[in-house]
Amino acid sequence: EVQLVESGGGLVQPGRSMKLSCAASGFTFSNYGMAWVRQAPTKGLEWVATISYDGSSTYYRDSVKGRFTISRDNAKTTLYLQMNSLRSEDTATYYCTRDPPVGALDYWGQGVMVTVSS
Amino acid sequence: DIQMTQSPSFLSASVGDRVTINCKASQNINKYLNWYQQKLGEAPKRLIYNTNNLRTGIPSRFSGSGSGTDYTLTISSLQPEDFATYFCLQHNSFLNTFGAGTKLELK
Repeated sequence: EVQLVESGGGLVQPGRSMKLSCAASGFTFSNYGMAWVRQAPTKGLEWVATISYDGSSTYYRDSVKGRFTISRDNAKTTLYLQMNSLRSEDTATYYCTRDPPVGALDYWGQGVMVTVSS
Repeated sequence: DIQMTQSPSFLSASVGDRVTINCKASQNINKYLNWYQQKLGEAPKRLIYNTNNLRTGIPSRFSGSGSGTDYTLTISSLQPEDFATYFCLQHNSFLNTFGAGTKLELK
């Protein structure tokens, strides 16, 4: 059974940093691209970043480019999102998702809440 | 970036109704269009991928169609568990974009 479990969220002040983790199990992690998607309270879904299966390619939405870094450790089957210079508009539930070669974003974690506030 | 316009934003319907939800892309997305269902407090669940491929375990009352820039999700006969919010996702480019969502409510 595919499982994605996010951790590392919480309350952080504007301008500070936070690192999210996503522990993956139930599939061969190193064969799949992975992505982060976020959802602000009562809002829609917003793709944040994608990383290729081997970490060689990364893609970001414009609003986080230069502030967020997606990375992975295939030996630990873990996905990361390093978030720097956080802003209030980054407040959201962040979901870890699997990004297969066919069909995109098939499995999702339960999400982790990030609140950026002073 | 590709923009996705989803309609309607809200839909009120009854059990047994047939409903359709639409997504229009700002450019051709070559059928790289998924549909997701999200219930309150839960993560989204993929229902359909690449326009018309039903995920294993999803009831056949859900179907998808479309091409080019215009795509549709159809629920042929609404069941009580179908009342939720639905999102489309284009993944034609690496810069994925979601539609704004359709909240399907019980009339």
